[in-house]
Amino acid sequence: TQLLEQSPQFLSIQEGENLTVYCNSSSVFSSLQWYRQEPGEGPVLLVTVVTGGEVKKLKRLTFQFGDARKDSSLHITAAQPGDTGLYLCAGAAGFQKLVFGTGTRLLVSP
Amino acid sequence: KAGVTQTPRYLIKTRGQQVTLSCSPISGHRSVSWYQQTPGQGLQFLFEYFSETQRNKGNFPGRFSGRQFSNSRSEMNVSTLELGDSALYLCASSGGQLGEKLFFGSGTQLSVL
Repeated sequence: TQLLEQSPQFLSIQEGENLTVYCNSSSVFSSLQWYRQEPGEGPVLLVTVVTGGEVKKLKRLTFQFGDARKDSSLHITAAQPGDTGLYLCAGAAGFQKLVFGTGTRLLVSP
Repeated sequence: KAGVTQTPRYLIKTRGQQVTLSCSPISGHRSVSWYQQTPGQGLQFLFEYFSETQRNKGNFPGRFSGRQFSNSRSEMNVSTLELGDSALYLCASSGGQLGEKLFFGSGTQLSVL
């Protein structure tokens, strides 16, 4: 069974702080995705990483895929209240089948 | 372009009943996948349909079933509802190629009393 563990589970910070969310697995994934989900909505894809060691930047968000393609991290610089939400990593496990991580709930206070 | 539409938005049922949820994918998308989201188990894959054929299935009991129509719209059915079936049911659509981006709907919140 493929599992993705995220840490921390919950993060409450002040606006302007930096943070890192981790996504770890014992399995190798061909690709890994990061989503953000807001209350009452479905997850929205932020980024897909495919190559081991790959780093992708999306404005203040930096995503990294581990060399062995088993882990990933999401770093947010100077967090803003608009970054509040549930962050989910997901590994590709077949056609349109994603194994989702346990989730990290982020609260950024003004 | 309209997004993925799920109906109904909220549903309340009692144990033992059955329920049907509907998902209309983005126009042109031929793949629809279904996920269950609960606070305890997170997001779990139910099944995926492409051109009316089930291509992939998760580890859920046979009470959970689905189908896809020729216009790519999909329905999922849960029979003999249990309290533990209370969850947010999400569907996602895509073109169907491996690794393609999924677009999720807002979900149907099912409460089983």
